[in-house]
Amino acid sequence: DAKTTQPPSMDCAEGRAANLPCNHSTISGNEYVYWYRQIHSQGPQYIIHGLKNNETNEMASLIITEDRKSSTLILPHATLRDTAVYYCIVRPLFSSYKLIFGSGTRLLVRP
Amino acid sequence: GAGVSQSPRYKVAKRGQDVALRCDPISGHVSLFWYQQALGQGPEFLTYFQNEAQLDKSGLPSDRFFAERPEGSVSTLKIQRTQQEDSAVYLCASSLARDRILTGELFFGEGSRLTVL
Repeated sequence: DAKTTQPPSMDCAEGRAANLPCNHSTISGNEYVYWYRQIHSQGPQYIIHGLKNNETNEMASLIITEDRKSSTLILPHATLRDTAVYYCIVRPLFSSYKLIFGSGTRLLVRP
Repeated sequence: GAGVSQSPRYKVAKRGQDVALRCDPISGHVSLFWYQQALGQGPEFLTYFQNEAQLDKSGLPSDRFFAERPEGSVSTLKIQRTQQEDSAVYLCASSLARDRILTGELFFGEGSRLTVL
């Protein structure tokens, strides 16, 4: 079973920041937080991952709370092409490599 | 190719037929995964290969499902005697990762959509 909780859907206006929350209250010390997204009719796409420090790349920023029980994925300037299902996943460091997907958050970016 | 390639993209089968789905991972990728995604759901893990070794097949739903990767590159997912509940998108992913070495990224193909009538 997925170890994360996400809102089923969100929307934001094009050009504005999209902040997608994720709860992972049972996360273990050796588990990373991963974010993937899936655009309609495509396979999931890696976005970012982190352990406890905030992370930023060309796609997004990941903010992890100090207690690591929740995180937020930030798309700083959402575009229509960011409309997708976003999955937050926790994954052990030294374990099998499978990702356990939940239901994700369906983000709709409005023109 | 540049990415993970899956074929066929679409397959329609009559109930009881056998089907084979192919995955060409990114060249040099050690790890290969198969996932099943039902309509409106997140992908569900089926099985994992490291090179030619099938290290985890805990997600295969029944003994009608069989996967192989004989030379450690191309993989085939075979479903025997297909049932309507097998209708789904079957996703393949690959990564450079080896066991006990963490890397972040799995690269997914676009999937094979199976419809069983």
